[in-house]
Order: sequence, then C-alpha cells, then structure tokens
Amino acid sequence: AQSVTQLGSHVSVSEGALVLLRCNYSSSVPPYLFWYVQYPNQGLQLLLKYTSAATLVKGINGFEAEFKKSETSFHLTKPSAHMSDAAEYFCAVSGTSWGKLQFGAGTQVVVTP
Amino acid sequence: DADVTQTPRNRITKTGKRIMLECSQTKGHDRMYWYRQDPGLGLRLIYYSFDVKDINKGEISDGYSVSRQAQAKFSLSLESAIPNQTALYFCATSDLQTYNEQFFGPGTRLTVL
Repeated sequence: AQSVTQLGSHVSVSEGALVLLRCNYSSSVPPYLFWYVQYPNQGLQLLLKYTSAATLVKGINGFEAEFKKSETSFHLTKPSAHMSDAAEYFCAVSGTSWGKLQFGAGTQVVVTP
Repeated sequence: DADVTQTPRNRITKTGKRIMLECSQTKGHDRMYWYRQDPGLGLRLIYYSFDVKDINKGEISDGYSVSRQAQAKFSLSLESAIPNQTALYFCATSDLQTYNEQFFGPGTRLTVL
C-alpha cells in the first residue's frame, strides 16, 4: 500500500524567499513520485516526477525535488518565490507496477509582497 | 484543444436528482480515473478503468457509478445526488509509458442543494 503525508496545509512565503514544501511517503514497492500544482479554478498540472532515474529532479517554473529513500521524502523547493507561485501543491505516489496515484492532502502556498 | 475535457464545468442540482458527468480524452490513453476534491482532503479516487472492459472501485465509490463507453470516454453518475456530494470532480488519464503520470481535466464543480 502507498500513502503520502504533506506537512503543513498552508505555507506563507515572502516574494523572493525560499519555497520548501515537505512530502513524506510510504510504499511497499519502489515508488514513482509526483508533484502537481493547482492554480485557482484550474485542474492539476504536473510540476515534476521521479521515476527511479536521477534523485534530484528538476521541473517547470524553477521547482525541483530530491528523492531521499532513507528518509522516504520527496520535498519540493524553489529558491526564490514569485507571486505567480501562489497555488495549491499536491504530492502523489504510485507503485511502479500499480497505475493508481495516492495523493497527499495538499499545501496551499501564499506569496506575500 | 484540451487533451482531457469535462462536461459540464459547473452544475447545480437538487437532492435526489440523477447527474452524469462526462469525460473525453484525445491522448489515446487506456487508463482513466475519476476523483473528487474536497478542501483539506486532497484528491480521493472514486472509480478507475484500465481499459474499456475493466472498471474498478476506488476508495469512495459508494453513491457513484461509472460507464466506460469507449477508450476515450468515461462517465461518472450520481444516481441520487445528496448534499455531501458537493465537490470538485476531476477526470484523469494515464498510460504505462508515462510512468503512471496522470493528466487531468479542468474539473466539474458540482453543488447539490
């Protein structure tokens, strides 16, 4: 079975500051890991994914995430927040042989000037 | 044109009414999913289908049914809508070639009065 825990349902960051969103997972099989972003009144859009290649994954809009097997973590970072980063972010896990995604509860990011 | 489309985008209905939400995709994917999103709960899987002849219940299937009319079409029905089915509903598709990455439609906002 797979599960995902996102620490912090709301995160407030200043424009230009580091964005750090935490995701821990559990999986009984080697995982695929994903970060999705949801802008207001829109569907989910893939930011990046880990599929057992490089452990540091770069995504769109300057985001990146590092897969740490020993810590069962896949935290999302961006060095400098922009106002347009205000959105909800979801971490998700899938088993390599299992087509379903298990989503975390989401983290709402607010960016302040 | 969007790869995954959902109709309607918004619907207001009354308790006890039958409602159908439709999803179409042009991605050529075999796998399709229905989720509901509620604040603080992330996305929860209602039903999924790995091909036209395969339908599976997700974690919250009670009160819902689905039909996979073709590879490209997957409909979700609420036989007798109730207020706690008020939510944002998403359709998604995936393919084994994309490491279980899911592609989402824009969502349907359903309100049951």
